[in-house]
Amino acid sequence: DTAVSQTPKYLVTQMGNDKSIKCEQNLGHDTMYWYKQDSKKFLKIMFSYNNKELIINETVPNRFSPKSPDKAHLNLHINSLELGDSAVYFCASGGRETPSGYTFGSGTRLTVV
Amino acid sequence: AQSVTQLGSHVSVSEGALVLLRCNYSSSVPPYLFWYVQYPNQGLQLLLKYTSAATLVKGINGFEAEFKKSETSFHLTKPSAHMSDAAEYFCAVSVGNTGKLIFGQGTTLQVKP
Repeated sequence: DTAVSQTPKYLVTQMGNDKSIKCEQNLGHDTMYWYKQDSKKFLKIMFSYNNKELIINETVPNRFSPKSPDKAHLNLHINSLELGDSAVYFCASGGRETPSGYTFGSGTRLTVV
Repeated sequence: AQSVTQLGSHVSVSEGALVLLRCNYSSSVPPYLFWYVQYPNQGLQLLLKYTSAATLVKGINGFEAEFKKSETSFHLTKPSAHMSDAAEYFCAVSVGNTGKLIFGQGTTLQVKP
């Protein structure tokens, strides 16, 4: 069983489109995160939810909107996609007190053309 | 503000040689520190984490790291490199009440036959 699963793995879309990335964790963690990895492999947090409540909202364009229907799911919706949104997006769950630390999904490679 | 700095964006070693990847942290409180590995086109996998229980932390795949408060360092080592260790390595610190993970810039480890 995959602990943190993201879909889709690859996403190619045109500028101006709206797209969503889904994330699910079966680890029972209360906290989930979205990270963005740019072309230079730098990882930066975007959002975090704790038990469906938004607790971290970094400086991210309003076009990005996370949604957490329950504590096992954290989806990321992106409106009006731009070329600069091309990156790998990682979902994660857990935390520093969790024995396994932060568990990451395998990533979604978004390419905007 | 808490942060981590990885010294050396690229490290090259011969197979069987010692691996040393450097990480220095900045923190005004006892830090929670992590090392993650990312293989090509994959997610991040936890190698080990420091949570103040012991200064020498042993992780998976033969890696270990030593927390040195006096040097504000958390360097990652492995006595003998394998070809399969070639990957990107990230040092990270968990900060604040939200527990968000702040990553270093990453170090690419190349292992030569």
